[in-house]
Amino acid sequence: DSGVTQTPKHLITATGQRVTLRCSPRSGDLSVYWYQQSLDQGLQFLIQYYNGEERAKGNILERFSAQQFPDLHSELNLSSLELGDSALYFCASSVVGISNEQYFGPGTRLTVT
Amino acid sequence: DQQVKQNSPSLSVQEGRISILNCDYTNSMFDYFLWYKKYPAEGPTFLISISSIKDKNEDGRFTVFLNKSAKHLSLHIVPSQPGDSAVYFCAASTISGGSQGNLIFGKGTKLSVKP
Repeated sequence: DSGVTQTPKHLITATGQRVTLRCSPRSGDLSVYWYQQSLDQGLQFLIQYYNGEERAKGNILERFSAQQFPDLHSELNLSSLELGDSALYFCASSVVGISNEQYFGPGTRLTVT
Repeated sequence: DQQVKQNSPSLSVQEGRISILNCDYTNSMFDYFLWYKKYPAEGPTFLISISSIKDKNEDGRFTVFLNKSAKHLSLHIVPSQPGDSAVYFCAASTISGGSQGNLIFGKGTKLSVKP
């Protein structure tokens, strides 16, 4: 158990809909990262938050957005969903320091039908 | 353009023997490298890491070697056990200057350890 929790575990929704994925980082971790894993792709970095502020952006679509709240949990919002958005979405957290070990949650499997 | 490459999609070894998983990278700005293990239906689990100022890091049965001039790293598992069967991801990041970058992952190598 990494200490990172993600809800829900599975999500099935229709095209055009909007969903929210939730992540609680490990106790004490200020950084939260979101990654997407599609069938034919590796883990792709989407976005990073540090202590409530956006720190870095990767291959995140404009239809997707995220935020980190004062209690450090984070939410990833996916809107106008398309079939190609079906994937595993992972959240990871880390402590700011001289290393960069990120600890991953169990993921949310999103299926868009 | 893939910055981190794991050219072997799969590897099969006998229990008790050595498993060697390879990873190549192209970005010379990477200064921190990590290996993750992933079982089906679970998130990646951190295994071992190495800073670019070192060329070897060992943790129990796991050793990571870094060859900066060749932009190559490898993970050695000795001895291999059936429970090591999983997908192994190599990842790289840039943390110089006190910042912490996101991880760039390879596509993974599926390791099967046969009893």
